[in-house]
Parts: sequence; structure tokens; C-alpha cells
Amino acid sequence: EVQLLESGGGLVHPGGSLRLSCAASGFTFSNYAMTWVRQAPGKGLEWVATISAGGDFIFSADSVKGRFTISRDNSKSTLYLQMNSLAAEDTAVFYCAGFPTGARYFEYWGQGTVVTVSS
Amino acid sequence: EIVLTQSPDTLSLSPGERAALSCRASQSVSTSLAWYQQKPGQAPRLLIYDASNRATGIPARFSGSGSGTEFTLTINSLEPEDFAVYYCQQRSDSWTFGQGTKVEIK
Repeated sequence: EVQLLESGGGLVHPGGSLRLSCAASGFTFSNYAMTWVRQAPGKGLEWVATISAGGDFIFSADSVKGRFTISRDNSKSTLYLQMNSLAAEDTAVFYCAGFPTGARYFEYWGQGTVVTVSS
Repeated sequence: EIVLTQSPDTLSLSPGERAALSCRASQSVSTSLAWYQQKPGQAPRLLIYDASNRATGIPARFSGSGSGTEFTLTINSLEPEDFAVYYCQQRSDSWTFGQGTKVEIK
């Protein structure tokens, strides 16, 4: 059974940092590109960042470029999102999702972790 | 950036009725379009990929059509569990989602 389990969310002050993790199981992690998608309270889905299966290609949304860094450790089947300079508008549920290299859709999704940025 | 506009924002229907959801792209995405279903408190679930292919385990009452800039998700004979929010997503240029269409019980 495919599982993606996010962790690391919580309450952080504006300007603070947080590191999210996504532990994968049930599929060959090193064959899958991985993505972070977020959803602000009561809002729609927003793509955040994507990393290729081997970690050599990284793409980020303009809204997080220079503040958020996506990375992965294939030996641990784990995806990360380092978030710096957090602001109130970053408050959201953060989902990790995976897709086979070359696919144009997000096949597997985690249940999400909540990030709240507030003073 | 390619903008996806979904319509309507809300669709009020009764169980057994047919739902037709629209997704329009600001420029051609060929068939690089997917549809997702999201229920309250849950993660999105992939329904349709590459515009018209059903994902594994998705019932046949869900179908997708279109190419270029105009796409439709059709749900034939709505079941109680189909009332949810639906999002389209493109992967022609970066990745973007539509704003969502809520299918609610009339």
C-alpha cells in the first residue's frame, strides 16, 4: 500500500523557519518525482515546488522562490521542504505528492501537515 | 503562467443527475490536464489524467474530455459520495490548478 506521511508542521512566528518531511513507502521512491502542494484555509490548491526523481531538477513557484527549498533523500525515501522567512500568507495545509517521471499529474498524495504562521 | 478557470464555482444537483464541470486554460495545454476530487478534511484524489484517462480504481461514471484550452469533467448519475470539490490541473507550463468547482446537494 502506498503511503506518504507528512510531518513537521506546527505554529511558527512570522519570519521563522520550519522543515517539513514526507516519508514514503509502498512504491519505488527513487523512480518518482515529488511535489509539495499547499492549501490555505478555505482556499484552493497551490503548487509549491517539485523535485525530479534523482534530485537533479528543482522547480519552485514564484511565491516561495528564495524562501522555500525542496530536497530529497532517496536512501531514506523521504522528501523535505525547508521553509524560511515565513509569513502569515504561508499558513496552509501542506501536502506532498508523487508522480512517475514524465507523468503530468500527481498520482499519490499524503494526508497533509498544517503550518500556521502567527504571532 | 497558464491560468485555469473553472466554471461554475458551485453546481447544485440531486443524486442521480449528471454533472458537467468546465475548465478553461488561458493558452493551449494540449492534453496535459488532470482532474482531482477533494472532500472536506481529506487530501485530493486523482480522477482523470491526460484529459481523458481514468485513474486506477475510479468508477466509470467519471469521464474527461477536451484538448487545447477547453476541458470537461462529466459525472454521470451522481452518487452521494460524489458531492465534493473538483480541481483541474495543468502540466504544460509549470504546474497550476483551477480555483475549484463545488458540487453540492440540491
